[in-house]
Formats: sequence, C-alpha cells, structure tokens
Amino acid sequence: GDSVTQMEGPVTLSEEAFLTINCTYTATGYPSLFWYVQYPGEGLQLLLKATKADDKGSNKGFEATYRKETTSFHLEKGSVQVSDSAVYFCALSDHGGSYIPTFGRGTSLIVHP
Amino acid sequence: EAGVAQSPRYKIIEKRQSVAFWCNPISGHATLYWYQQILGQGPKLLIQFQNNGVVDDSQLPKDRFSAERLKGVDSTLKIQPAKLEDSAVYLCASSLETSPSYEQYFGPGTRLTVT
Repeated sequence: GDSVTQMEGPVTLSEEAFLTINCTYTATGYPSLFWYVQYPGEGLQLLLKATKADDKGSNKGFEATYRKETTSFHLEKGSVQVSDSAVYFCALSDHGGSYIPTFGRGTSLIVHP
Repeated sequence: EAGVAQSPRYKIIEKRQSVAFWCNPISGHATLYWYQQILGQGPKLLIQFQNNGVVDDSQLPKDRFSAERLKGVDSTLKIQPAKLEDSAVYLCASSLETSPSYEQYFGPGTRLTVT
C-alpha cells in the first residue's frame, strides 16, 4: 500500500537558519503530494502541493519539488522565523491507486530567536 | 467563508461507553473525510464520503465505529463501545471534489480521552 516517511523531529533551528524536512513516499499509482502545517492550537492547513513529477509547490517562502526518480518531496525554506514553529505533515493522494489520503507522522519544527 | 466546524472539542468517557462526534463541512464541498490522529502519529483516514455515499471505509473498525452523512452535508461519527485505544484526536476535513489533487480543509478536531 501507499506510505509516507518523514524525518523524525523535533527539528530545532535558530531564526534565519535554512530548513530542510525530508519526505519520501511509496505509491502504487501516480500521486499528488502535499505539505500540511499545524500551528499550535490550530487545525491542519495546506502549505503547498504538487500534482505531477518535477512540479514545484511554493508558499510563504517554503518550497518542495516533486521528484519521481527519488520518490521524494522535501520541504525547504531559506530563512525560518519563530512564527514557523509548528508540526509539518507530508501527505499523498494516489490517482492510480486507492485514493486513500496517506499522511506521514509529522515533524515538529522549533525555531528559537 | 466559514471553515469546517466540529463539536465537541473535547470529550472524556469511560471504556465501553458510546460517543458521537459531529462535523459540518465547508458549504458546497462534496467530499468529507473523518480521520483518527493518535498522539505522535499522522492522521489516519477512517471514512471518506462523496455527497452522501461512502467512497472508502476500508480502515474503519466497523465492529465499533459507524458514520453517516445524511443529506450529503453534515456528518456524525460514532464509537460504541469505546476502548482505551480509541483515545485520539478525531479530525474532520472536506474538499471540493474527491479527486486526489484537491486540497483538504480541516476542522479543529475533537480530542477524545477514554479512561
């Protein structure tokens, strides 16, 4: 079945540091890939998405590129802020497979001033 | 536009009791999802509706969990009887369509504690 693997957290950074959160996936079909973010005390919300290979999703300074050859969708940001502290979830929905949305375990990001 | 509404926000029950959660999706969204999120894990899909029909319920423990979406709008998820391992946050989400490329919009969740 489909699966998503994320790097374990917490990831702790100083403000203005570079961020990478790794995400790899397995899928039977051709998935759409997503990053969702959950800020403290709030519900999950979409951060960015990519629906086909080589697409780059971007939002709020975050980027992720759909890499079919490495089955990866790593999240990056050039300069993090304290307000980026949250839990980040990588997810997929498989067009050719089960259609069941599949989420990773989440990676907690803590940014210190 | 109003977001996905869920109630209650918190619930504490004893094992073997029953509990029900309610969700009202964003107006016009055809697809509704219920997820279970255990502490430290990602959301796990329990059931997915398209209007008032079930698209997938393969991960729903049907001996104790049930869900319905009458009239294709709001939905209820019920657990009867509850077990200790059902302690989790229950998330409701909706999307415009079922297609995998569509974004899901999540409610705030209901935190269930079974003692």
